[in-house]
Amino acid sequence: QVQLVQSGAEVKKPGASVKVSCKASGYTFTGYYMHWVRQAPGQGLEWMGWINPNSGGTNYAQKFQGRVTMTRDTSISTAYMELSRLRSDDTAVYYCARDREGPMDVWGKGTTVTVSS
Amino acid sequence: DIQMTQSPSTLSASVGDRVTITCRASQSISSWLAWYQQKPGKAPKLLIYKASSLESGVPSRFSGSGSGTEFTLTISSLQPDDFATYYCQQYNSYWAFGQGTKVEIK
Repeated sequence: QVQLVQSGAEVKKPGASVKVSCKASGYTFTGYYMHWVRQAPGQGLEWMGWINPNSGGTNYAQKFQGRVTMTRDTSISTAYMELSRLRSDDTAVYYCARDREGPMDVWGKGTTVTVSS
Repeated sequence: DIQMTQSPSTLSASVGDRVTITCRASQSISSWLAWYQQKPGKAPKLLIYKASSLESGVPSRFSGSGSGTEFTLTISSLQPDDFATYYCQQYNSYWAFGQGTKVEIK
């Protein structure tokens, strides 16, 4: 079945970086864009950007430009999201989600990133 | 950037009620709108895409309507499994979510 399996929870100090992985299975990884969406505790959903796994092209939300890097490894059908210069307000659950020409039809279970000194 | 505004923020309802959630876009997004359901501790689930198309496997009590700047999600007869938070999302220009509507038990 189609699924996205994300890496485990992370605890980071302010100023550090975090890299979250998202392994796709059950479909052709290079055939669908991949989004990253985050959700701070008790808050709504926030779109961070997408990567085209076929070309490696990316499109980041303006808020995250300069701090986020999305990459992929097609040999293992895995997308990555790296966020640098972490702050306490980056504490959130980070989701990867498959794009189906706009709507996001398959989601990972989320990766909790906690930023604390 | 396109802003999405949902109303109400919280809705109290009983099993069997007809429930309507509204989503407004700050500019026209044609029909490029999706609705998601999220339960605590879980990832969002796609319910509706292109404003009114029902995602496969989603019960027919869910329906969506609207175009341009105003959209609605309707649950025709609320079931116990439907108590959750609902988000609209535009994908006309980049992607953006509404702030969510929590449907709670009355």
